[in-house]
Amino acid sequence: DAEITQSPRHKITETGRQVTLACHQTWNHNNMFWYRQDLGHGLRLIHYSYGVQDTNKGEVSDGYSVSRSNTEDLPLTLESAASSQTSVYFCASMDWNTGELFFGEGSRLTVL
Amino acid sequence: GDSVTQMEGPVTLSEEAFLTINCTYTATGYPSLFWYVQYPGEGLQLLLKATKADDKGSNKGFEATYRKETTSFHLEKGSVQVSDSAVYFCALSIMDSNYQLIWGAGTKLIIKP
Repeated sequence: DAEITQSPRHKITETGRQVTLACHQTWNHNNMFWYRQDLGHGLRLIHYSYGVQDTNKGEVSDGYSVSRSNTEDLPLTLESAASSQTSVYFCASMDWNTGELFFGEGSRLTVL
Repeated sequence: GDSVTQMEGPVTLSEEAFLTINCTYTATGYPSLFWYVQYPGEGLQLLLKATKADDKGSNKGFEATYRKETTSFHLEKGSVQVSDSAVYFCALSIMDSNYQLIWGAGTKLIIKP
């Protein structure tokens, strides 16, 4: 069965370190998204991509970057982690035909 | 701009009670409407959707009707179970915006036995 996987599921890092969260989907979807989820803020869009070599900033993109070198993967990089980036991060891909989003199980990041 | 407003939680009910979670939207185009559910420790998953006015989406005993006249998409279930405890998100997408989703804040539902 097709799926979307995130890794690592849990990570603790220190302020100033670079962190990369991986996202891999096997549906061959062009549209992929990264969200963060925090209490009181719901889901906030960080970055998104509509295909290979395409990346776009979402509403909370500062301090984050993404790259899209193939259809399957959209890694999210925190260039210099800050405590404000402690959160749960969700990757999703979209079925263009139906508009349905498929989410990964999330990556819980703690920045100390 | 486009937006989604849903009732604040948490909503606490007893098992077998009737559930309504309100969702209203503003949109300039012709949105599709969705309810997603997030069980504890998991990612979101699609619960139901409706793509045009008067459509009714249904799944797992939940229903929601796309009401264009009241710009609403309220989620209902006739008899909730403890296993329905989760966070529910209302969302809309518009084809003209390349299917970008606009999310409500989420409503936490707690069902007590």
